[in-house]
Amino acid sequence: DGGITQSPKYLFRKEGQNVTLSCEQNLNHDAMYWYRQDPGQGLRLIYYSQIVNDFQKGDIAEGYSVSREKKESFPLTVTSAQKNPTAFYLCASSIQGSSGNQPQHFGDGTRLSIL
Amino acid sequence: GIQVEQSPPDLILQEGANSTLRCNFSDSVNNLQWFHQNPWGQLINLFYIPSGTKQNGRLSATTVATERYSLLYISSSQTTDSGVYFCAVGRSGSARQLTFGSGTQLTVLP
Repeated sequence: DGGITQSPKYLFRKEGQNVTLSCEQNLNHDAMYWYRQDPGQGLRLIYYSQIVNDFQKGDIAEGYSVSREKKESFPLTVTSAQKNPTAFYLCASSIQGSSGNQPQHFGDGTRLSIL
Repeated sequence: GIQVEQSPPDLILQEGANSTLRCNFSDSVNNLQWFHQNPWGQLINLFYIPSGTKQNGRLSATTVATERYSLLYISSSQTTDSGVYFCAVGRSGSARQLTFGSGTQLTVLP
């Protein structure tokens, strides 16, 4: 079945350590996105990519990095510079429609906690 | 940036009751989606509805883009409808990013 796969589901990070969250999609979507969700709040955009080898900062990009070397994959690295990384991270993808806006589809998320 | 306000923030219903959730936004949009987040955190697409009306079973949604609001109707609610309902919008002319509201926490009691 087509879909978006995020791994791992749970991740623990030690202070000062970088961690990478995986996001893979087999929907043949051009655009991919990373969001962060804190308890009791909506989602906030970290980074997005509209095409391979290109990506843009979202509203809360500080302390995060991404790459887009393949259409199917958009990994997110949470660096040690991110001072409050404990959150629920969701990856999404969408078709690049001619209208510029197409519905986004989400993976099941990764919960990151600090040890 | 665009502001998205959802109301009510919390809603408690008895099973079988109907409800209306509202989403107001501060600027013109050409993407509006309603999601249901279940207790496990999964975001389920309910509707892609930048304008007009759609129905899917017991759920329906209406967006009046000129007046900058959208409504989600849940009829004959079931306990499995519990969770958080999010409205998210994409602004005309912007990149393909969504701005989320803070959600409505729905609890359906048996």
